[in-house]
Amino acid sequence: GDSVTQMEGPVTLSEEAFLTINCTYTATGYPSLFWYVQYPGEGLQLLLKATKADDKGSNKGFEATYRKETTSFHLEKGSVQVSDSAVYFCALIPRQGGSEKLVFGKGTKLTVNP
Amino acid sequence: DTGVSQDPRHKITKRGQNVTFRCDPISEHNRLYWYRQTLGQGPEFLTYFQNEAQLEKSRLLSDRFSAERPKGSFSTLEIQRTEQGDSAMYLCASTPGQVLGNEQFFGPGTRLTVL
Repeated sequence: GDSVTQMEGPVTLSEEAFLTINCTYTATGYPSLFWYVQYPGEGLQLLLKATKADDKGSNKGFEATYRKETTSFHLEKGSVQVSDSAVYFCALIPRQGGSEKLVFGKGTKLTVNP
Repeated sequence: DTGVSQDPRHKITKRGQNVTFRCDPISEHNRLYWYRQTLGQGPEFLTYFQNEAQLEKSRLLSDRFSAERPKGSFSTLEIQRTEQGDSAMYLCASTPGQVLGNEQFFGPGTRLTVL
């Protein structure tokens, strides 16, 4: 079935460090891909998305590129801030099925220290 | 606030009791989803509604679980005869549902603890 695998955390970085969180997926066809973020005490929020191969999603300095050759959607940010501390979830919506249900990875907790 | 709301935010119950959660989606969002998130895991799909019709249920949704969305507005999720394994965060999300890959807007969740 469809699944998402993302790097295990926790990840701890210093402010202004470079961030990469790896995400790979297994799906039939070409799914839509998403990164959701969950800040402490808050609900899940969409961070960015890409709906077809080679699309780059970007938001708040974060970027991810849909790579069909490697079935990957790695999240990157050039310079993290303390306020980026959160749990990040990679997710997909399968192209087939019609329900548009999200399939999530396990999440990666990021802590950024000043 | 026009976001997705869920009630209650926290529920503690004893094993064997019934519980009911409510979700109010964003106004005019046709699709409503329920997910369950256990500690250290990503959310898992439970069921979804297109307007008032429940169109898909996950195998995770045992016979003790039932969901409704009367009149296509708010939704309720009921768990009968709760078990300790039901302890989790229950998330609700809504989306307009008209465009492929639409963003799903999530509520804050209801955290259930079964003693």
